[in-house]
Parts: sequence; C-alpha cells; structure tokens
Amino acid sequence: GENVEQHPSTLSVQEGDSAVIKCTYSDSASNYFPWYKQELGKRPQLIIDIRSNVGEKKDQRIAVTLNKTAKHFSLHITETQPEDSAVYFCAALGERGSTLGRLYFGRGTQLTVWP
Amino acid sequence: DAGVTQSPTHLIKTRGQQVTLRCSPISGHKSVSWYQQVLGQGPQFIFQYYEKEERGRGNFPDRFSARQFPNYSSELNVNALLLGDSALYLCASSPGQTYGYTFGSGTRLTVV
Repeated sequence: GENVEQHPSTLSVQEGDSAVIKCTYSDSASNYFPWYKQELGKRPQLIIDIRSNVGEKKDQRIAVTLNKTAKHFSLHITETQPEDSAVYFCAALGERGSTLGRLYFGRGTQLTVWP
Repeated sequence: DAGVTQSPTHLIKTRGQQVTLRCSPISGHKSVSWYQQVLGQGPQFIFQYYEKEERGRGNFPDRFSARQFPNYSSELNVNALLLGDSALYLCASSPGQTYGYTFGSGTRLTVV
C-alpha cells in the first residue's frame, strides 16, 4: 500500500515567519493529496488539497506544491499567526486496488507559532 | 447544513466489553470511512463503505466490524475491547470514493 512520510515532527516559528512542512509518498498512482489541521481535542479539518494535474495551489496564506516525479509535496504557510498553532497532517489517497479510497496519513507536524 | 456527526463523543469501557460507535454523514454523501487515531499519530484507516457495501478494510482484527444503513449512516463495532483500542475514532464522509473527505469530531474511547 501507500506509505507517507512527514517532516519535521515539530516546528517552532516566530509570528510573521513562514513555515514549511514536507511529505513524501511511495505509490506513483496516488493523485490526490489533502492537508489537514488538527487543533487539540478537535477533528482534522481540511485546509487545502491538490490533485496531480497541478503543481501548485494557493489559498490566501497557505500554499501546497506537488512534485509527482519526486513523489513529494509540501505545505507552505506565510505570515504565520499564533492561531496557526496546531498539528498538521499530510495525506495521500489510494487510487487502485485495495488502496482505493483510503487516506494514508503522515505522522503529523506540531507547529507552534510564538507571538 | 450539518456536518459529519458522531456519537457518543466520549466513552469509557472495560476490557472485554463491546462498543458501538455511530456516524451520520453529510447529507448527500454516500461514502463513510472509519479511522482510528492513537495519541501522537496520524489517523489509520479501518473501513470504508460506499453505497452500503464494504469497499475496503484496513489492518485491523476481526473484532472490528462495521455496516452502513440505507440512509448512509454507519456504525462501527468493536468486540472484546483491549487497552490498546483506546483512541479517537473518526468518521469521514465523502460524496464518492476518491475525493472530498470531511471528518466528524470523533468518539474518544478509553478502555480501562
């Protein structure tokens, strides 16, 4: 099946700085890559996603880039704010056989934004 | 428009007991998936149901079972509970099998 690796596991930045979280995946058939933000005790919330027919997608301060050849994708948060502090998960969606419809998650990145 | 609703929100069970968790998907969504999230890790896939049929099963023992009802709601059952089953159980609904997953707030299960 798919294997998703996520780095770093923790990330501390000063308010206003940028934060970058990187993920790699193993199954070249995967075509959909969502990112979730999970605050303590709450549900994972989809913040941005990308399909393999595009290389980059932006939504205000958040952007995701995808390199299908290298099988890696990254989340970029600019002008970070304390309310961005949370655990961020990347995921890849299985697209074939027994993996179809399954989200494979990374282990998460604890982002802390200091005021 | 209601999101994905799960019940109960918290549950404490004793080892060996059985538990049933419930999920109502977003209206119009036909797919429901279940995930287990252990503290400090990403969610792990348990089951997916689409159009009331099981479409996938993760690496979980037979103690875990699920079903989807005609109204697309779903139940997850876990028998013979172990301490290691303590986790946040998340339900995700989607219009189809391959996009648009929205998670519910989860059921926090504690096995003592």
